[in-house]
Amino acid sequence: ETGVTQTPRHLVMGMTNKKSLKCEQHLGHNAMYWYKQSAKKPLELMFVYNFKEQTENNSVPSRFSPECPNSSHLFLHLHTLQPEDSALYLCASSQDPAGGYEQYFGPGTRLTVT
Amino acid sequence: GQNIDQPTEMTATEGAIVQINCTYQTSGFNGLFWYQQHAGEAPTFLSYNVLDGLEEKGRFSSFLSRSKGYSYLLLKELQMKDSASYLCAVVDSNYQLIWGAGTKLIIKP
Repeated sequence: ETGVTQTPRHLVMGMTNKKSLKCEQHLGHNAMYWYKQSAKKPLELMFVYNFKEQTENNSVPSRFSPECPNSSHLFLHLHTLQPEDSALYLCASSQDPAGGYEQYFGPGTRLTVT
Repeated sequence: GQNIDQPTEMTATEGAIVQINCTYQTSGFNGLFWYQQHAGEAPTFLSYNVLDGLEEKGRFSSFLSRSKGYSYLLLKELQMKDSASYLCAVVDSNYQLIWGAGTKLIIKP
Protein backbone atom coordinates (compact mmCIF):
# COMPACT_ATOMS: atom_id res chain seq x y z
CA GLU A 1 0.00 0.00 0.00
CA THR A 2 1.22 3.49 -0.74
CA GLY A 3 0.59 7.00 0.51
CA VAL A 4 -1.43 7.77 3.61
CA THR A 5 -4.21 5.48 4.77
CA GLN A 6 -6.87 6.06 7.39
CA THR A 7 -9.33 3.76 9.11
CA PRO A 8 -12.21 3.70 9.56
CA ARG A 9 -13.53 5.79 6.69
CA HIS A 10 -16.82 6.39 8.46
CA LEU A 11 -17.64 6.32 12.17
CA VAL A 12 -20.85 6.97 14.07
CA MET A 13 -20.51 7.14 17.83
CA GLY A 14 -22.53 8.20 20.82
CA MET A 15 -21.34 10.84 23.21
CA THR A 16 -20.39 8.27 25.83
CA ASN A 17 -18.43 5.99 23.49
CA LYS A 18 -14.68 5.59 23.18
CA LYS A 19 -13.20 5.02 19.73
CA SER A 20 -9.90 5.47 17.93
CA LEU A 21 -8.94 6.69 14.48
CA LYS A 22 -5.88 5.21 12.84
CA CYS A 23 -3.51 6.69 10.29
CA GLU A 24 -0.54 5.08 8.58
CA GLN A 25 1.92 6.60 6.13
CA HIS A 26 4.13 4.61 3.79
CA LEU A 27 6.19 7.55 2.53
CA GLY A 28 9.05 7.56 5.00
CA HIS A 29 8.06 11.00 6.24
CA ASN A 30 9.10 12.43 9.59
CA ALA A 31 6.07 14.57 10.39
CA MET A 32 2.42 13.59 10.84
CA TYR A 33 -0.65 15.73 11.43
CA TRP A 34 -4.27 15.53 12.52
CA TYR A 35 -6.69 18.04 11.01
CA LYS A 36 -10.39 18.67 11.52
CA GLN A 37 -12.37 19.71 8.44
CA SER A 38 -15.85 21.15 8.89
CA ALA A 39 -18.08 22.32 6.06
CA LYS A 40 -17.16 25.74 4.66
CA LYS A 41 -14.44 26.26 7.28
CA PRO A 42 -10.66 26.24 6.92
CA LEU A 43 -8.77 23.14 7.85
CA GLU A 44 -8.09 23.22 11.59
CA LEU A 45 -4.72 21.85 12.62
CA MET A 46 -5.13 19.76 15.77
CA PHE A 47 -1.82 18.03 16.42
CA VAL A 48 1.64 17.78 14.86
CA TYR A 49 4.20 15.08 15.47
CA ASN A 50 7.83 15.22 14.40
CA PHE A 51 9.84 12.00 14.71
CA LYS A 52 6.96 10.71 16.87
CA GLU A 53 7.27 13.61 19.33
CA GLN A 54 4.35 15.99 19.64
CA THR A 55 5.32 19.50 18.63
CA GLU A 56 1.93 21.21 18.31
CA ASN A 57 -1.30 21.03 20.22
CA ASN A 58 -3.57 23.80 19.03
CA SER A 59 -5.79 24.16 22.12
CA VAL A 60 -7.59 20.93 21.34
CA PRO A 61 -10.03 19.70 24.02
CA SER A 62 -8.77 16.80 26.10
CA ARG A 63 -11.53 14.55 24.75
CA PHE A 64 -9.19 14.18 21.74
CA SER A 65 -6.01 12.31 22.65
CA PRO A 66 -3.31 11.64 20.05
CA GLU A 67 -0.79 8.84 20.09
CA CYS A 68 2.22 8.36 17.83
CA PRO A 69 3.98 5.06 18.58
CA ASN A 70 6.41 5.48 15.64
CA SER A 71 6.95 7.80 12.71
CA SER A 72 4.64 5.75 10.45
CA HIS A 73 1.57 5.45 12.67
CA LEU A 74 -0.70 8.00 14.27
CA PHE A 75 -3.84 7.49 16.33
CA LEU A 76 -6.54 9.81 17.56
CA HIS A 77 -8.37 8.48 20.61
CA LEU A 78 -11.85 9.86 21.10
CA HIS A 79 -13.99 9.87 24.24
CA THR A 80 -17.08 11.72 25.49
CA LEU A 81 -17.34 13.70 22.27
CA GLN A 82 -19.92 16.39 21.56
CA PRO A 83 -22.19 16.68 18.50
CA GLU A 84 -20.14 19.68 17.32
CA ASP A 85 -17.17 17.34 16.96
CA SER A 86 -18.87 15.77 13.95
CA ALA A 87 -16.56 16.49 11.01
CA LEU A 88 -14.07 14.98 8.60
CA TYR A 89 -10.80 14.11 10.37
CA LEU A 90 -7.82 14.15 8.05
CA CYS A 91 -4.39 12.75 8.68
CA ALA A 92 -1.41 14.07 6.73
CA SER A 93 2.32 13.57 6.58
CA SER A 94 5.27 15.53 5.25
CA GLN A 95 9.02 15.24 5.00
CA ASP A 96 9.46 17.89 7.68
CA PRO A 97 7.00 19.71 10.00
CA ALA A 98 8.10 23.13 8.73
CA GLY A 99 5.25 24.53 6.70
CA GLY A 100 7.13 24.81 3.45
CA TYR A 101 6.89 21.10 2.72
CA GLU A 102 4.08 19.54 0.73
CA GLN A 103 1.67 17.57 2.87
CA TYR A 104 0.20 14.26 1.77
CA PHE A 105 -3.29 13.61 3.06
CA GLY A 106 -5.23 10.48 3.82
CA PRO A 107 -8.84 10.09 2.66
CA GLY A 108 -10.19 11.05 6.07
CA THR A 109 -12.59 9.60 8.61
CA ARG A 110 -16.12 11.01 8.45
CA LEU A 111 -17.16 11.18 12.12
CA THR A 112 -20.74 11.63 13.27
CA VAL A 113 -21.42 12.09 16.98
CA THR A 114 -25.01 11.36 17.99
CA GLY B 1 -5.08 38.02 13.22
CA GLN B 2 -4.23 35.86 10.25
CA ASN B 3 -6.69 35.58 7.42
CA ILE B 4 -7.01 33.85 4.06
CA ASP B 5 -9.88 34.86 1.77
CA GLN B 6 -11.19 32.84 -1.14
CA PRO B 7 -14.58 32.89 -2.88
CA THR B 8 -16.87 30.24 -1.44
CA GLU B 9 -18.12 28.92 -4.75
CA MET B 10 -17.56 29.46 -8.47
CA THR B 11 -19.23 28.05 -11.58
CA ALA B 12 -17.60 27.66 -14.98
CA THR B 13 -18.26 25.91 -18.28
CA GLU B 14 -16.45 22.88 -19.63
CA GLY B 15 -13.66 23.95 -21.98
CA ALA B 16 -13.46 27.47 -20.54
CA ILE B 17 -10.90 29.16 -18.27
CA VAL B 18 -11.44 30.02 -14.61
CA GLN B 19 -9.37 32.02 -12.14
CA ILE B 20 -9.67 31.35 -8.41
CA ASN B 21 -8.35 34.17 -6.26
CA CYS B 22 -6.79 34.02 -2.82
CA THR B 23 -5.86 37.03 -0.70
CA TYR B 24 -4.01 36.74 2.57
CA GLN B 25 -3.00 38.74 5.62
CA THR B 26 -0.52 36.75 7.65
CA SER B 27 2.33 37.35 10.06
CA GLY B 28 5.10 36.92 7.55
CA PHE B 29 5.19 34.86 4.39
CA ASN B 30 7.20 31.78 3.46
CA GLY B 31 5.22 30.40 0.56
CA LEU B 32 1.73 29.65 -0.68
CA PHE B 33 0.18 26.32 -1.57
CA TRP B 34 -2.80 25.32 -3.68
CA TYR B 35 -4.47 21.98 -3.06
CA GLN B 36 -7.34 20.27 -4.87
CA GLN B 37 -9.94 18.28 -2.95
CA HIS B 38 -12.62 16.22 -4.68
CA ALA B 39 -15.74 15.56 -2.63
CA GLY B 40 -15.13 12.80 -0.13
CA GLU B 41 -11.45 12.56 -0.97
CA ALA B 42 -8.10 13.74 0.38
CA PRO B 43 -6.66 17.12 -0.58
CA THR B 44 -3.88 16.72 -3.14
CA PHE B 45 -1.03 19.11 -3.87
CA LEU B 46 -1.26 21.32 -6.95
CA SER B 47 1.36 24.04 -6.61
CA TYR B 48 3.71 25.94 -4.35
CA ASN B 49 4.78 29.56 -4.94
CA VAL B 50 7.37 31.39 -2.89
CA LEU B 51 8.56 33.98 -5.43
CA ASP B 52 6.45 36.48 -7.38
CA GLY B 53 5.26 35.45 -10.78
CA LEU B 54 3.46 32.75 -12.65
CA GLU B 55 4.19 29.02 -12.36
CA GLU B 56 2.70 26.90 -15.11
CA LYS B 57 2.02 23.21 -14.82
CA GLY B 58 0.00 21.82 -17.69
CA ARG B 59 -3.55 23.15 -17.64
CA PHE B 60 -3.03 24.66 -14.18
CA SER B 61 -1.05 27.82 -13.39
CA SER B 62 -0.52 29.63 -10.11
CA PHE B 63 0.40 33.28 -9.69
CA LEU B 64 1.79 35.11 -6.68
CA SER B 65 2.20 38.78 -5.78
CA ARG B 66 3.74 39.09 -2.33
CA SER B 67 3.45 42.87 -2.25
CA LYS B 68 -0.31 42.61 -2.80
CA GLY B 69 -0.86 39.56 -0.59
CA TYR B 70 -2.52 37.89 -3.54
CA SER B 71 -2.46 34.67 -5.48
CA TYR B 72 -4.61 33.04 -8.09
CA LEU B 73 -5.01 29.59 -9.54
CA LEU B 74 -5.78 29.54 -13.25
CA LEU B 75 -7.42 26.47 -14.75
CA LYS B 76 -7.55 26.22 -18.55
CA GLU B 77 -9.52 23.92 -20.86
CA LEU B 78 -11.79 22.96 -17.99
CA GLN B 79 -12.89 19.36 -17.72
CA MET B 80 -15.74 17.91 -15.70
CA LYS B 81 -13.20 16.19 -13.46
CA ASP B 82 -11.96 19.62 -12.36
CA SER B 83 -15.12 19.99 -10.27
CA ALA B 84 -13.64 20.08 -6.78
CA SER B 85 -12.74 22.38 -3.93
CA TYR B 86 -9.51 24.36 -4.25
CA LEU B 87 -7.71 25.20 -1.02
CA CYS B 88 -5.25 28.06 -0.61
CA ALA B 89 -2.76 27.85 2.27
CA VAL B 90 -0.01 30.27 3.32
CA VAL B 91 3.16 29.48 5.26
CA ASP B 92 3.61 32.20 7.89
CA SER B 93 6.76 33.52 9.59
CA ASN B 94 6.69 30.61 12.07
CA TYR B 95 6.47 28.12 9.20
CA GLN B 96 2.90 27.30 10.18
CA LEU B 97 0.33 26.62 7.45
CA ILE B 98 -2.67 28.94 7.49
CA TRP B 99 -5.56 27.53 5.46
CA GLY B 100 -8.36 29.21 3.57
CA ALA B 101 -11.87 27.76 3.67
CA GLY B 102 -11.61 26.62 0.05
CA THR B 103 -13.42 27.46 -3.17
CA LYS B 104 -15.92 24.96 -4.51
CA LEU B 105 -15.67 24.92 -8.30
CA ILE B 106 -18.66 23.62 -10.25
CA ILE B 107 -18.13 22.77 -13.91
CA LYS B 108 -21.17 22.70 -16.18
CA PRO B 109 -21.29 21.02 -19.59
